[in-house]
Amino acid sequence: QKEVEQDPGPLSVPEGAIVSLNCTYSNSAFQYFMWYRQYSRKGPELLMYTYSSGNKEDGRFTAQVDKSSKYISLFIRDSQPSDSATYLCAMSGGGSNYKLTFGKGTLLTVNP
Amino acid sequence: DGGITQSPKYLFRKEGQNVTLSCEQNLNHDAMYWYRQDPGQGLRLIYYSQIVNDFQKGDIAEGYSVSREKKESFPLTVTSAQKNPTAFYLCASSSQGEQPQHFGDGTRLSIL
Repeated sequence: QKEVEQDPGPLSVPEGAIVSLNCTYSNSAFQYFMWYRQYSRKGPELLMYTYSSGNKEDGRFTAQVDKSSKYISLFIRDSQPSDSATYLCAMSGGGSNYKLTFGKGTLLTVNP
Repeated sequence: DGGITQSPKYLFRKEGQNVTLSCEQNLNHDAMYWYRQDPGQGLRLIYYSQIVNDFQKGDIAEGYSVSREKKESFPLTVTSAQKNPTAFYLCASSSQGEQPQHFGDGTRLSIL
């Protein structure tokens, strides 16, 4: 079983839709959870950063962490064409906080 | 503006040649990282450095070398021993190990 599993998509939605992106993981030591957005030929941009379980909201973005299920989600409300990108989940913890373990990314397209 | 600058954006390597990728940050971050991104594989850690004059191997260090002589700079050399160097290389930094990493916009390396 891979440490972090992320559905690669592609995911295509109409403008204004609610988007749900998810990752599952196997390492119960993970404590820090991140979502990055990566546009084509660019570096990943940090969207959300959460510690342990719970929800965090920032504008149209909500990150959820369920450590009991080893499952994290990113919700995008009122999606826009500018949200079209690859979304990467990443996580760390357990004494090796320097090391991020990434999912492979989900390619999202928001159609006008 | 604070950030991470990677250069060049595109680089071509001839057989048997070493090439060096530059990474500079003005975020005053202690830790710096190099990742390799291949299509469908996600990001993989090559090397990381938590303080000046110290660095550790990541998951795929073979065929690569680094130095950390200054806090702001963490150059990566892709040596001729790296037989499959074609990839997108990303540099990142963070203030401490448990803090989120911020990325540059990458260098795309290809073989001539």
